[in-house]
Amino acid sequence: QVQLVQSGAEVKKPGASVKVSCKTSGYTFTYFAIHWVRQAPGHGLEWMGWINAGSGNTKYSLKFQDRLTISRDTSASTVYMELSSLIAEDTAVYYCAREDYRNEYNRFDPWGQGTLVTVSS
Amino acid sequence: DIQMTQSPSSLSASVGDRVTITCRASQSISRHLNWYQQKPGKAPSLLIYGASNLQRGVPSRFSGSGSGTDFTLTISGLQPEDFATYYCQQSYSTPMYTFGQGTTMEIK
Repeated sequence: QVQLVQSGAEVKKPGASVKVSCKTSGYTFTYFAIHWVRQAPGHGLEWMGWINAGSGNTKYSLKFQDRLTISRDTSASTVYMELSSLIAEDTAVYYCAREDYRNEYNRFDPWGQGTLVTVSS
Repeated sequence: DIQMTQSPSSLSASVGDRVTITCRASQSISRHLNWYQQKPGKAPSLLIYGASNLQRGVPSRFSGSGSGTDFTLTISGLQPEDFATYYCQQSYSTPMYTFGQGTTMEIK
């Protein structure tokens, strides 16, 4: 079955960077895009960015444009999300999700289990 | 960016109730509207896509409707496992798929 498995929790100091991985399995990696979504404690879901796993093309929310990099390793069927210049407000659970485009309507299914990133001095 | 607004932000209901959550888009999104359920400490899971298409494995008590800017999620006969937070998402503005702010459903 289709699975997205993310790397483990991270604790970072302000100003540092974090790189979270999302390893996929159960489907042809290059056929589907991957999105990143974050959720701060007690808050809703916030779309961060997207990568076309086939072409490597990316698009980022304007909010994160200057410090977000999404990349992929096709040989490992893995997508990476790197966020730099971390501040306390970046403390959140970060999710990857596959974009399913079949049957006309695009949607996120499935999701990774989430990775907690804590930014603290 | 397309803004998504859900209402209510929270609601209290009892097992067996019929509840409706609404979602409004800041511009027409045709039927490119998805609904997700999230339980505490878990990742969201897809309930409905394309406004009214039930995801495989989701119970038939969940239903969705709407088009253009106004959408609803209805749960007919609430079950204890349905108490969760629900999010709408527009998938019209590729690939910037924004979410509503969420609706938390609590047991009355």
